[in-house]
Formats: sequence, C-alpha cells, structure tokens
Amino acid sequence: AQSVTQLDSQVPVFEEAPVELRCNYSSSVSVYLFWYVQYPNQGLQLLLKYLSGSTLVKGINGFEAEFNKSQTSFHLRKPSVHISDTAEYFCAVRPKNEKLTFGTGTRLTIIP
Amino acid sequence: DSGVTQTPKHLITATGQRVTLRCSPRSGDLSVYWYQQSLDQGLQFLIQYYNGEERAKGNILERFSAQQFPDLHSELNLSSLELGDSALYFCASSATGSNQPQHFGDGTRLSIL
Repeated sequence: AQSVTQLDSQVPVFEEAPVELRCNYSSSVSVYLFWYVQYPNQGLQLLLKYLSGSTLVKGINGFEAEFNKSQTSFHLRKPSVHISDTAEYFCAVRPKNEKLTFGTGTRLTIIP
Repeated sequence: DSGVTQTPKHLITATGQRVTLRCSPRSGDLSVYWYQQSLDQGLQFLIQYYNGEERAKGNILERFSAQQFPDLHSELNLSSLELGDSALYFCASSATGSNQPQHFGDGTRLSIL
C-alpha cells in the first residue's frame, strides 16, 4: 500500500520569502502526484499535478513542484509568498487503479 | 468554484440521530468520493462510487452508508451518530481514470451535541 509523509506539520514564513513544503511518498508502483490547498472553511483546491513527462510542474498561484523519482519526493515551492497563501497544504499520491492517499497536511503561516 | 455542490453546509444534531449528506458532482464526472476530515484523524477516505456502483471502500464505519443515483448525485447516510462523528465531510468527483484529479466540494460541517 502507498503512503505519504509530510514531515512539517507547520511552516511559518515571512512575507515575500521563499518556501518549500516537503512531501515524500512510498509505493511499489508508479504513481500520480497531487498538491491540494485548503483555505479556512473551504474545501480542497487542486494546486498542481504530476502525471508524467517533465518533472517540474507549475500550478496555480505561482506554486511549482518537482518530482524526484530516486528520492520519492514531490516538494512544493514558491519563490515569494503572500499573506493570501496562508492555508493548509496537502500532498496526495495515487497509484494506477488505486485510491488517492493524502498526507497529514502542512499548515503554512505567513508572517507580515 | 469546483463545480461540486454539497448540502447542507452545516448540520447540528444529537447523538443517536441519523442524517443524510448530499453531493452533486461536476458535470460529466462519473466518480464520486466521500471523505471525513477531523482534527485527530486528518483526511480519511470513506467510499467511492462510479456510475452508480460502489468502486472502493476506505475507513467507513458500518453505521455509515452511501449510494449514487442514476443522475449521479450521491448521498452519505450517517446513523446512530456519536460525538466522535463530528467532522467535516467532503465529497469529491473526478472524470474516469486514476490520473484524473479529484475536485472537492466545500464540505458539510457536522456537529453532534
């Protein structure tokens, strides 16, 4: 069975600073990878996805993520964060024909 | 707007009661998923339906059941409610295929008093 690890439960970052949210996964087969964002009192919104091809994927709101097969990682990055990026971020993995598995989430707090 | 509609947004009820949560998927999506989100358990997959048939089961209690109707909307039924069932319940839908992302509704917040 697959699993997803988001080691950082909370990440505080100063406004306009860069941020990296870490995600590692384990799976015995190839996977599809996703990052979702959850703003307060809202549902999860898809930020970006890796299906195949280029390992660097760009998403909405200036976020990008890099798939690293050898390290089984899919870290999320943004070069300059804004107050509006305050939210919870979930990494998710889905092997082919299996269910989607979410990490425990990382709460990103932007400090003015 | 994800295109997934969940009703009601909030539900307050008492222990032992039964409630029904409703979900309308995005137009054209055949798959519907239900999730439970709580502070202590995180985001837990409950069940998936595909075109009216149960496709996958997760950590769904026997007191909970779901179904997907011919018009593809889905309902999650929660019975004999306990205090621990208080949580956010999300519905998501997707197009066919494991590589298709799931699109989430805004959830139903269930509070058991």
